[in-house]
Amino acid sequence: AQSVTQLGSHVSVSEGALVLLRCNYSSSVPPYLFWYVQYPNQGLQLLLKYTTGATLVKGINGFEAEFKKSETSFHLTKPSAHMSDAAEYFCAVSDGAAGNKLTFGGGTRVLVKP
Amino acid sequence: KAGVTQTPRYLIKTRGQQVTLSCSPISGHRSVSWYQQTPGQGLQFLFEYFSETQRNKGNFPGRFSGRQFSNSRSEMNVSTLELGDSALYLCASSFRAGGPGELFFGEGSRLTVL
Repeated sequence: AQSVTQLGSHVSVSEGALVLLRCNYSSSVPPYLFWYVQYPNQGLQLLLKYTTGATLVKGINGFEAEFKKSETSFHLTKPSAHMSDAAEYFCAVSDGAAGNKLTFGGGTRVLVKP
Repeated sequence: KAGVTQTPRYLIKTRGQQVTLSCSPISGHRSVSWYQQTPGQGLQFLFEYFSETQRNKGNFPGRFSGRQFSNSRSEMNVSTLELGDSALYLCASSFRAGGPGELFFGEGSRLTVL
């Protein structure tokens, strides 16, 4: 069975500061890893995904994540936070074989202070 | 290109009733997945349909069911509603079944059970 742990259910950052959201996963097979963002009263939007190949993945809105197999981690970062980054972020894992079934972490809500 | 459309967006039911939620995927997408989002349990996979066939099912009781039509539109049904069924139900579509494709989420149907 797969699982995802997101450290910190709430993160507060100042505008312009580094955003770091932590994600650790458990998977018995090489995983596909995803970060999604959810704005209030909206669905989820894909930020980035790792499938194979380069371990540093760049996504939309200036976000990037690095797949570290030895640490079973897929942390999300953005060098400089913007007010529009205030949202909830979800890390998810899939083994690809189980169709489009994603296992999500509990989410991290980001607050950006001016 | 129209996104994933879910109807209704909000609904209120009472215990014991049943509810049907509808999802129209992005044109050309043949895979539709359903997820339940609650504050306590987070995002949980319900089921996935591809070409009118259920490909995968999450760990939910039989009161939760779904189907997909030949035009790829999908419905999910919850019978004998319980208070714990109050949740945001999210539908996601994808061009293909199986990873690592991107899931496109609708804005959800928010169900309140009284």
